Amino acid sequence: EAGVVQSPRYKIIEKKQPVAFWCNPISGHNTLYWYLQNLGQGPELLIRYENEEAVDDSQLPKDRFSAERLKGVDSTLKIQPAELGDSAVYLCASSFASNTGELFFGEGSRLTVL
Amino acid sequence: DAKTTQPPSMDCAEGRAANLPCNHSTISGNEYVYWYRQIHSQGPQYIIHGLKNNETNEMASLIITEDRKSSTLILPHATLRDTAVYYCIVRVLRGGGADGLTFGKGTHLIIQP
Repeated sequence: EAGVVQSPRYKIIEKKQPVAFWCNPISGHNTLYWYLQNLGQGPELLIRYENEEAVDDSQLPKDRFSAERLKGVDSTLKIQPAELGDSAVYLCASSFASNTGELFFGEGSRLTVL
Repeated sequence: DAKTTQPPSMDCAEGRAANLPCNHSTISGNEYVYWYRQIHSQGPQYIIHGLKNNETNEMASLIITEDRKSSTLILPHATLRDTAVYYCIVRVLRGGGADGLTFGKGTHLIIQP
């Protein structure tokens, strides 16, 4: 079974440019998460989707970040315009209603803003 | 969710048991203890979780103290591939669904050859 797939794996852009990340969760997983991980820190939740509905976006900087999950499957995370401080790894994870509550993570998208 | 305290780093010799401690003194009665690990350049990976009983699976064992204020993750025979950051997380499991994880900085475990 395929895991959570993210792309691109690496992205280098100049500040003020837009960037988008794509995530394909594990088939059948209705919950999808986007996390931000700065160097040397643990991941921080940006947004959580239940199917197509964003149920927790309290930590998403809405002035420049946006996300969508059309049809409740794939999701995109966009930054416009990017700032130097946005350089980080963006992780996507998915889960389904289970007794373990396990989250399955992708390998992440590493963003470098110059 | 309750906060956890972990040592920032630990070393362990290859082939020996690695014992990673975690303090969660403010844990609530309905909060589970979860362990994830993150190998360099990969996403976090689930290891094990428990409520109050000790748990064991093919990857590790989880020992939770009787008062539930601390726990220890045990990797019985550490290999070089176990070098990673290990996160101890406590959380409520609501309605069978998962409402996310709150990560700290974790413990960087280095397995020495």
